[in-house]
Amino acid sequence: GESVGLHLPTLSVQEGDNSIINCAYSNSASDYFIWYKQESGKGPQFIIDIRSNMDKRQGQRVTVLLNKTVKHLSLQIAATQPGDSAVYFCAERSLKTSYDKVIFGPGTSLSVIP
Amino acid sequence: KAGVTQTPRYLIKTRGQQVTLSCSPISGHRSVSWYQQTPGQGLQFLFEYFSETQRNKGNFPGRFSGRQFSNSRSEMNVSTLELGDSALYLCASSQTGMNEKLFFGSGTQLSVL
Repeated sequence: GESVGLHLPTLSVQEGDNSIINCAYSNSASDYFIWYKQESGKGPQFIIDIRSNMDKRQGQRVTVLLNKTVKHLSLQIAATQPGDSAVYFCAERSLKTSYDKVIFGPGTSLSVIP
Repeated sequence: KAGVTQTPRYLIKTRGQQVTLSCSPISGHRSVSWYQQTPGQGLQFLFEYFSETQRNKGNFPGRFSGRQFSNSRSEMNVSTLELGDSALYLCASSQTGMNEKLFFGSGTQLSVL
């Protein structure tokens, strides 16, 4: 029979615009959060991370915001470029458990319109 | 420095067979973890190895197993393959597996017919 799979959220943005990708995390004990980018045919690639004692962290063209009250994470990409087209995953883990597994969100597909 | 290397890149097997996938971590990395990626379930943790010891395991049946060698290279094995095992299997490495970002390989795409 037909299987019900994850419906990957899709975000389409115009080249040059800013992109905002949202993520709800599940475990209130998670205190370390990571964003990964996965391009077609490749494995996930680290973008930026943030610890729970921070609510904002900036990198090159990317900013991650963390709202622990509502367990929400967002990734902002400034001046989106065609090379940013990919699937973006948020991931969480607990630093208290040293080698706890990383839990990935379902992902968001970003499509940049030239 | 070379990245995480996974071999083979593609595999086609039939139901009931077994398969072994290989992963070479980044030089100096001693932690290797494995993930299964499918359109239906997303990225799911299989297991993590450090210094030849499995430290953590996900919720997968015993048909899925792995090991790590003294040079930190790792293999995972899936026995009695089922159609639902068709997936992209990703290996990731880090220096200690503790509180660090993961570096992923490009994966092995397994198709079970």
